Amino acid sequence: AQRVTQPEKLLSVFKGAPVELKCNYSYSGSPELFWYVQYSRQRLQLLLRHISRESIKGFTADLNKGETSFHLKKPFAQEEDSAMYYCALSGGFSGSARQLTFGSGTQLTVLP
Amino acid sequence: DAGVTQSPTHLIKTRGQQVTLRCSPKSGHDTVSWYQQALGQGPQFIFQYYEEEERQRGNFPDRFSGHQFPNYSSELNVNALLLGDSALYLCASSLLSDTQYFGPGTRLTVL
Repeated sequence: AQRVTQPEKLLSVFKGAPVELKCNYSYSGSPELFWYVQYSRQRLQLLLRHISRESIKGFTADLNKGETSFHLKKPFAQEEDSAMYYCALSGGFSGSARQLTFGSGTQLTVLP
Repeated sequence: DAGVTQSPTHLIKTRGQQVTLRCSPKSGHDTVSWYQQALGQGPQFIFQYYEEEERQRGNFPDRFSGHQFPNYSSELNVNALLLGDSALYLCASSLLSDTQYFGPGTRLTVL
Protein backbone atom coordinates (compact mmCIF):
# COMPACT_ATOMS: atom_id res chain seq x y z
CA ALA A 1 0.00 0.00 0.00
CA GLN A 2 1.14 3.53 -0.64
CA ARG A 3 0.86 6.27 1.95
CA VAL A 4 1.92 9.91 2.25
CA THR A 5 2.27 11.69 5.57
CA GLN A 6 2.50 15.43 6.07
CA PRO A 7 2.97 15.87 9.81
CA GLU A 8 2.22 19.60 9.97
CA LYS A 9 -1.30 20.81 9.25
CA LEU A 10 -0.30 24.43 9.81
CA LEU A 11 3.04 26.17 9.41
CA SER A 12 3.78 29.86 9.89
CA VAL A 13 7.05 31.61 9.07
CA PHE A 14 8.11 35.21 8.69
CA LYS A 15 8.89 36.73 5.33
CA GLY A 16 12.52 36.13 4.40
CA ALA A 17 12.87 33.14 6.71
CA PRO A 18 13.64 29.65 5.42
CA VAL A 19 10.75 27.26 5.13
CA GLU A 20 10.59 23.46 5.06
CA LEU A 21 7.41 21.47 4.55
CA LYS A 22 7.81 17.86 5.54
CA CYS A 23 6.64 14.86 3.58
CA ASN A 24 7.24 11.19 4.31
CA TYR A 25 6.02 8.32 2.21
CA SER A 26 5.55 4.60 2.33
CA TYR A 27 5.84 2.57 -0.88
CA SER A 28 7.56 -0.70 -1.62
CA GLY A 29 8.69 0.08 -5.15
CA SER A 30 10.21 3.12 -6.84
CA PRO A 31 7.74 5.97 -6.46
CA GLU A 32 7.47 9.25 -8.23
CA LEU A 33 6.92 12.17 -5.85
CA PHE A 34 5.20 15.48 -6.46
CA TRP A 35 4.37 18.69 -4.67
CA TYR A 36 1.07 20.32 -5.57
CA VAL A 37 0.03 23.79 -4.38
CA GLN A 38 -3.36 25.41 -4.01
CA TYR A 39 -3.45 29.19 -3.66
CA SER A 40 -6.55 30.85 -2.25
CA ARG A 41 -9.53 30.44 -4.59
CA GLN A 42 -7.42 28.70 -7.24
CA ARG A 43 -7.26 25.13 -8.44
CA LEU A 44 -4.71 22.57 -7.41
CA GLN A 45 -1.58 22.93 -9.53
CA LEU A 46 1.69 21.09 -9.86
CA LEU A 47 4.61 22.83 -8.17
CA LEU A 48 7.36 20.35 -8.87
CA ARG A 49 8.13 16.66 -9.42
CA HIS A 50 11.24 14.91 -8.26
CA ILE A 51 12.26 13.47 -11.63
CA SER A 52 12.54 16.91 -13.20
CA ARG A 53 14.87 18.18 -10.43
CA GLU A 54 13.72 21.73 -11.19
CA SER A 55 13.50 24.71 -8.87
CA ILE A 56 10.10 26.33 -9.18
CA LYS A 57 9.42 29.71 -7.54
CA GLY A 58 12.56 29.12 -5.48
CA PHE A 59 11.28 25.82 -4.07
CA THR A 60 13.29 22.62 -4.22
CA ALA A 61 12.66 19.11 -3.00
CA ASP A 62 15.04 16.18 -2.81
CA LEU A 63 13.91 12.59 -2.74
CA ASN A 64 15.64 10.75 0.11
CA LYS A 65 14.94 7.07 -0.40
CA GLY A 66 16.77 6.09 2.78
CA GLU A 67 14.53 8.26 4.94
CA THR A 68 11.56 7.90 2.56
CA SER A 69 11.14 11.66 2.57
CA PHE A 70 10.50 14.39 0.02
CA HIS A 71 10.63 17.61 1.99
CA LEU A 72 9.90 20.92 0.24
CA LYS A 73 12.31 23.78 0.96
CA LYS A 74 12.74 27.43 0.16
CA PRO A 75 15.56 29.55 1.57
CA PHE A 76 13.63 32.84 1.76
CA ALA A 77 9.85 32.72 2.09
CA GLN A 78 7.67 35.33 0.41
CA GLU A 79 4.14 36.40 1.37
CA GLU A 80 2.85 35.10 -1.97
CA ASP A 81 3.98 31.62 -0.95
CA SER A 82 1.08 31.43 1.50
CA ALA A 83 -1.02 28.50 0.28
CA MET A 84 -1.98 24.89 0.92
CA TYR A 85 0.73 22.45 -0.09
CA TYR A 86 0.12 18.77 -0.84
CA CYS A 87 2.73 16.09 -1.23
CA ALA A 88 1.68 13.28 -3.58
CA LEU A 89 3.03 9.94 -4.66
CA SER A 90 2.55 7.98 -7.85
CA GLY A 91 3.31 4.31 -7.72
CA GLY A 92 4.98 4.30 -11.10
CA PHE A 93 3.64 3.42 -14.48
CA SER A 94 1.23 0.54 -14.71
CA GLY A 95 -0.34 0.36 -18.14
CA SER A 96 -2.23 3.59 -18.45
CA ALA A 97 -3.05 3.96 -14.79
CA ARG A 98 -1.13 6.35 -12.59
CA GLN A 99 -3.12 7.17 -9.50
CA LEU A 100 -1.87 9.84 -7.13
CA THR A 101 -1.91 9.32 -3.37
CA PHE A 102 -1.98 12.63 -1.52
CA GLY A 103 -1.03 13.67 1.96
CA SER A 104 -3.46 15.67 4.04
CA GLY A 105 -1.74 18.95 3.24
CA THR A 106 0.13 21.72 5.06
CA GLN A 107 -1.27 25.25 5.18
CA LEU A 108 1.69 27.61 4.94
CA THR A 109 1.29 31.19 6.10
CA VAL A 110 4.08 33.66 5.50
CA LEU A 111 3.82 36.56 7.90
CA PRO A 112 4.99 40.08 6.95
CA ASP B 1 -7.27 26.58 -23.73
CA ALA B 2 -9.46 26.83 -20.64
CA GLY B 3 -7.75 23.86 -19.10
CA VAL B 4 -9.77 21.25 -17.26
CA THR B 5 -13.37 22.33 -16.75
CA GLN B 6 -15.98 20.83 -14.44
CA SER B 7 -19.71 21.30 -14.06
CA PRO B 8 -21.63 22.14 -12.07
CA THR B 9 -19.67 24.28 -9.61
CA HIS B 10 -21.93 23.49 -6.69
CA LEU B 11 -24.65 20.93 -6.14
CA ILE B 12 -27.02 20.17 -3.28
CA LYS B 13 -28.73 16.78 -3.06
CA THR B 14 -30.59 14.80 -0.44
CA ARG B 15 -29.76 11.36 0.88
CA GLY B 16 -30.67 8.54 -1.46
CA GLN B 17 -30.58 10.65 -4.59
CA GLN B 18 -28.28 10.18 -7.54
CA VAL B 19 -25.85 12.74 -8.97
CA THR B 20 -23.83 13.16 -12.16
CA LEU B 21 -20.74 15.34 -12.34
CA ARG B 22 -19.04 16.29 -15.59
CA CYS B 23 -15.47 16.94 -16.65
CA SER B 24 -13.89 18.19 -19.86
CA PRO B 25 -10.16 17.50 -20.08
CA LYS B 26 -7.44 19.87 -21.13
CA SER B 27 -6.99 20.01 -24.89
CA GLY B 28 -4.84 17.13 -26.11
CA HIS B 29 -5.33 14.99 -23.00
CA ASP B 30 -6.78 11.50 -23.24
CA THR B 31 -6.91 10.32 -19.63
CA VAL B 32 -9.25 11.47 -16.89
CA SER B 33 -8.94 10.74 -13.19
CA TRP B 34 -11.47 11.53 -10.47
CA TYR B 35 -10.69 12.37 -6.86
CA GLN B 36 -12.79 13.03 -3.78
CA GLN B 37 -11.56 15.66 -1.33
CA ALA B 38 -13.27 15.73 2.04
CA LEU B 39 -12.95 18.84 4.18
CA GLY B 40 -9.49 19.12 5.69
CA GLN B 41 -8.14 16.15 3.75
CA GLY B 42 -6.06 15.62 0.66
CA PRO B 43 -7.68 14.35 -2.53
CA GLN B 44 -8.44 10.63 -2.60
CA PHE B 45 -8.32 8.68 -5.87
CA ILE B 46 -11.66 7.30 -7.08
CA PHE B 47 -10.89 5.94 -10.56
CA GLN B 48 -9.26 6.68 -13.87
CA TYR B 49 -10.53 6.43 -17.45
CA TYR B 50 -8.53 5.89 -20.59
CA GLU B 51 -9.84 4.80 -24.00
CA GLU B 52 -13.37 4.87 -22.57
CA GLU B 53 -12.55 2.19 -20.01
CA GLU B 54 -12.00 2.27 -16.27
CA ARG B 55 -8.31 1.43 -15.89
CA GLN B 56 -7.78 1.65 -12.16
CA ARG B 57 -9.99 2.13 -9.15
CA GLY B 58 -9.42 3.32 -5.62
CA ASN B 59 -11.17 2.12 -2.49
CA PHE B 60 -14.66 3.36 -3.33
CA PRO B 61 -17.91 1.36 -3.41
CA ASP B 62 -19.79 0.44 -6.57
CA ARG B 63 -22.17 3.34 -5.94
CA PHE B 64 -19.44 5.38 -7.62
CA SER B 65 -19.33 4.80 -11.35
CA GLY B 66 -18.09 6.68 -14.34
CA HIS B 67 -17.93 6.98 -18.04
CA GLN B 68 -15.61 8.41 -20.65
CA PHE B 69 -16.86 9.59 -24.02
CA PRO B 70 -15.10 9.43 -27.40
CA ASN B 71 -14.16 13.12 -27.04
CA TYR B 72 -12.37 12.18 -23.77
CA SER B 73 -14.81 14.04 -21.54
CA SER B 74 -15.99 12.12 -18.51
CA GLU B 75 -18.82 11.77 -16.04
CA LEU B 76 -18.82 10.65 -12.43
CA ASN B 77 -22.06 9.14 -11.14
CA VAL B 78 -22.87 8.53 -7.51
CA ASN B 79 -26.00 6.54 -6.58
CA ALA B 80 -27.82 6.30 -3.26
CA LEU B 81 -26.09 9.36 -1.84
CA LEU B 82 -24.97 9.33 1.77
CA LEU B 83 -24.19 12.28 4.01
CA GLY B 84 -20.55 11.18 3.91
CA ASP B 85 -20.43 11.73 0.16
CA SER B 86 -20.40 15.49 0.78
CA ALA B 87 -17.05 16.65 -0.58
CA LEU B 88 -15.22 18.47 -3.33
CA TYR B 89 -14.93 16.24 -6.40
CA LEU B 90 -11.90 16.92 -8.53
CA CYS B 91 -11.25 15.87 -12.06
CA ALA B 92 -7.71 15.68 -13.41
CA SER B 93 -6.65 15.10 -16.99
CA SER B 94 -3.37 13.96 -18.45
CA LEU B 95 -1.81 12.63 -21.60
CA LEU B 96 -1.70 8.96 -20.65
CA SER B 97 0.59 8.71 -17.62
CA ASP B 98 2.06 12.21 -17.75
CA THR B 99 1.44 15.06 -15.31
CA GLN B 100 -2.14 15.41 -14.11
CA TYR B 101 -3.81 18.83 -14.39
CA PHE B 102 -6.73 19.51 -12.08
CA GLY B 103 -10.05 21.20 -12.61
CA PRO B 104 -11.65 23.62 -10.14
CA GLY B 105 -13.85 20.92 -8.66
CA THR B 106 -17.56 20.40 -7.98
CA ARG B 107 -18.71 20.99 -4.41
CA LEU B 108 -21.35 18.38 -3.53
CA THR B 109 -23.46 18.81 -0.42
CA VAL B 110 -25.72 15.96 0.67
CA LEU B 111 -28.48 16.88 3.13
